[in-house]
Amino acid sequence: DGGITQSPKYLFRKEGQNVTLSCEQNLNHDAMYWYRQDPGQGLRLIYYSQIVNDFQKGDIAEGYSVSREKKESFPLTVTSAQKNPTAFYLCASSRTGGTSGRPSTDTQYFGPGTRLTVL
Amino acid sequence: GEDVEQSLFLSVREGDSSVINCTYTDSSSTYLYWYKQEPGAGLQLLTYIFSNMDMKQDQRLTVLLNKKDKHLSLRIADTQTGDSAIYFCAESSAVKFYFGSGTKLNVKP
Repeated sequence: DGGITQSPKYLFRKEGQNVTLSCEQNLNHDAMYWYRQDPGQGLRLIYYSQIVNDFQKGDIAEGYSVSREKKESFPLTVTSAQKNPTAFYLCASSRTGGTSGRPSTDTQYFGPGTRLTVL
Repeated sequence: GEDVEQSLFLSVREGDSSVINCTYTDSSSTYLYWYKQEPGAGLQLLTYIFSNMDMKQDQRLTVLLNKKDKHLSLRIADTQTGDSAIYFCAESSAVKFYFGSGTKLNVKP
């Protein structure tokens, strides 16, 4: 089966701790994305990666970090600097990475999400 | 910046048609999308339309695009209780991928 997986489904963290959310895809997509979803709001882009070993900040990157060492993996670390980390986090991928410095406009396919709660 | 706006709620009876509306501001949008999100799940791509089309039909789903008014709608025929979910409109342009805040569709038996 091809698709995007995120783990874990639910994650609890104590205040002041860093935590890493996993996102893996076997679709051979070049581009991957992280979004945050808060209740009653749309998706906000945190980081995106157009190609391996490269990533760009999205609209709300502060307090987050990412890496893209492998094409199929794009982990997101929520650091203690993120003031309000409790949210639903969605990972997505798209076939191509877009033009230089700009996200792709290809259709994005989403993982099932990780719900992070800070205690 | 670019905005995508949707009404927050829609309630219909089972068997009726549902129409979910969306407006956007970026006239350079190339593709417009409808995604469905069931509770606690990720987003599922339902359908999309290229900006030079004005209508697309896919089984019970009909997408209408009025490019002049920057208005997109999703019509679901014969709405079922399984259609209850949040529906997101999204647009992609030369710059970014933007999502609306979602319309929660409640289907009453």
